[in-house]
Amino acid sequence: DSGVTQTPKHLITATGQRVTLRCSPRSGDLSVYWYQQSLDQGLQFLIQYYNGEERAKGNILERFSAQQFPDLHSELNLSSLELGDSALYFCASSVDNRGTDTQYFGPGTRLTVL
Amino acid sequence: DQQVKQNSPSLSVQEGRISILNCDYTNSMFDYFLWYKKYPAEGPTFLISISSIKDKNEDGRFTVFLNKSAKHLSLHIVPSQPGDSAVYFCAGQNYGGSQGNLIFGKGTKLSVKP
Repeated sequence: DSGVTQTPKHLITATGQRVTLRCSPRSGDLSVYWYQQSLDQGLQFLIQYYNGEERAKGNILERFSAQQFPDLHSELNLSSLELGDSALYFCASSVDNRGTDTQYFGPGTRLTVL
Repeated sequence: DQQVKQNSPSLSVQEGRISILNCDYTNSMFDYFLWYKKYPAEGPTFLISISSIKDKNEDGRFTVFLNKSAKHLSLHIVPSQPGDSAVYFCAGQNYGGSQGNLIFGKGTKLSVKP
C-alpha cells in the first residue's frame, strides 16, 4: 500500500459527459502528479501540483483540468468525454518538488467511456 | 516523439537466471532515471534509480546500468524469481530543470517461469 488513495476505482460513463477523479496524497506529501495510461501510449504525464499551485504541464488536453485543494487532495476533471479518453488514470505524490523525491503511485481509476 | 523507448514489449526468463530489461532515451536533458514495477490492478511502485553522474547503481538483486554516450540504460535482476513477474517501466526525469514529472517508456512485461 503506497499510502496514495484514488476514488473511484472504476468509472463507466458516456461520451460527452464530465467526470471527476479524486486523489489523496500520502500524509506529508506536497506534490501531486497525474498520469494517464492508455493501451497504446503507456504512462503519460498530465499535470503536477505543488502545495496548491500548478507546477508543470504535460500532454493534458484542454478538456481536462485539475486542482489541488488546501488539504492537498487533488481532483482531475475530464469533460466532453470521448471514446479515446478511456484509460487508467494514476495519481502519484512526493514529499517535495525536488526531482529526486520518490513518487508514490495510487492504485488508479479505470475510466471507460461508452 | 517518444523520449523513452523500451523496445521489448515482453521478456520470458527461467527462475534463477538473469533478467535484462533495456531502455533507450533521446532527451539529453534527462539527469535522473528510474525503474518502476507494476503488478496488475496496482499502481507502479518505485524499484531503483540512477543519477546521470553514475554508471551503476545496485540494490540487492537489482542493478541499473547507465551508458550516457549511448543514451541507454538497463535493469539487471539476478537471480530472477517468479514474484518478479510484472511490467517494468523505465522513466527519465529532468530534475535539474525543476521538472519533477517522469517520462515513461511503454513498459516491458517480464515473465519469470518456475
